[in-house]
Amino acid sequence: AQKVTQAQTEISVVEKEDVTLDCVYETRDTTYYLFWYKQPPSGELVFLIRRNSFDEQNEISGRYSWNFQKSTSSFNFTITASQVVDSAVYFCALSGEETSGSRLTFGEGTQLTVNP
Amino acid sequence: DAGVIQSPRHEVTEMGQEVTLRCKPISGHNSLFWYRQTMMRGLELLIYFNNNVPIDDSGMPEDRFSAKMPNASFSTLKIQPSEPRDSAVYFCASSWRRAGANVLTFGAGSRLTVL
Repeated sequence: AQKVTQAQTEISVVEKEDVTLDCVYETRDTTYYLFWYKQPPSGELVFLIRRNSFDEQNEISGRYSWNFQKSTSSFNFTITASQVVDSAVYFCALSGEETSGSRLTFGEGTQLTVNP
Repeated sequence: DAGVIQSPRHEVTEMGQEVTLRCKPISGHNSLFWYRQTMMRGLELLIYFNNNVPIDDSGMPEDRFSAKMPNASFSTLKIQPSEPRDSAVYFCASSWRRAGANVLTFGAGSRLTVL
């Protein structure tokens, strides 16, 4: 079975602080993909990033960075110099090639509030 | 591209009524997914289609729920009869299914309230 755990239900920071959202996953697939989606207050789900299980290079995109560590089954997401517009629910998700095809299993989400 | 289009955006109905939610996937995508989001259960997959064929409907709660995809550009999720516990946001998503390339693009969601 596949499982994604986001232990942090809510995080509150002050603007310009750095914040890291944790994600731990479980899968028996040897090939799998990890995702982060953002759900702003308007409600839509916005794709942020996808990584495959064979690529453990960290990735940076502007103020966003992702740390993938297979050894600890984690795929953490860091926002540097947070802004109020970053306030949203962030979901980590997993798709396993062998067991789930294209289906995404989502974590419970982390509500991030960035205060001015 | 207009993205994944869902309708209605909001629906309020009374218990026992039939509800039909509609989805138009992104042109060229060959996989379509229906997800439901609630506070208690988070985001859960109800059903997904590949090339208009239902592949896995194990997430459909019960026989009151049914989904169809008559062609590549349209899908419906029907609840009959509806119950208050069906109140949720229902998301449709589509993707281009090939090995490794399964980024789902979500619609804006349909918020259903059953009184």
